Amino acid sequence: GAVVSQHPSWVICKSGTSVKIECRSLDFQATTMFWYRQFPKQSLMLMATSNEGSKATYEQGVEKDKFLINHASLTLSTLTVTSAHPEDSSFYICSARDRVGKRGTDFGPGTRLTVT
Amino acid sequence: KQEVTQIPAALSVPEGENLVLNCSFTDSAIYNLQWFRQDPGKGLTSLLLIQSSQREQTSGRLNASLDKSSGRSTLYIAASQPGDSATYLCAAPTGGSEKLVFGKGMKLTVNP
Repeated sequence: GAVVSQHPSWVICKSGTSVKIECRSLDFQATTMFWYRQFPKQSLMLMATSNEGSKATYEQGVEKDKFLINHASLTLSTLTVTSAHPEDSSFYICSARDRVGKRGTDFGPGTRLTVT
Repeated sequence: KQEVTQIPAALSVPEGENLVLNCSFTDSAIYNLQWFRQDPGKGLTSLLLIQSSQREQTSGRLNASLDKSSGRSTLYIAASQPGDSATYLCAAPTGGSEKLVFGKGMKLTVNP
């Protein structure tokens, strides 16, 4: 079964509003989670690394004030897209890795964001 | 900086063929490499994880090999089926971290 969940699976919002996406590790603790975005027919691009109890680290070109990340617990990271615009419409996917186990990186099912 | 390349970008084959999907990476100082499958509009499903100490990993009809010295990994799919149709992505970590760099993927279509 799924070990990383995301909520919501899809969301439609109006320009200028903010949207929060949750990423949860279901049966393991993740001190680090990652947020990716994927445009249609493109590969995944890493946006930021979410660190439990500390600030997220963002990849070059990603606006930290626009994409707010909070890693409040060892099983939950949230990504808030603030003042969303149509160009923010994308597929957002989070991942987490169980450091203790021998699994590779597990990915959430993704969240489809459409900004109208 | 890690770069991952997958060639070809797309492949269409008749059912039953044995397939070879290629992945190359520039930074060979990796501790693992992972293959994923993505169905349209869906998230990623992990197929195989190869640790740097391993040369290959098998799961059912799938077999993945890793050659760090040449910066290559290959995913073999035996006796392909229409249900195998999806985009296959390989990913390697970068800079000794847990960050994954993805190839652009290979869209596979298996025709019945």
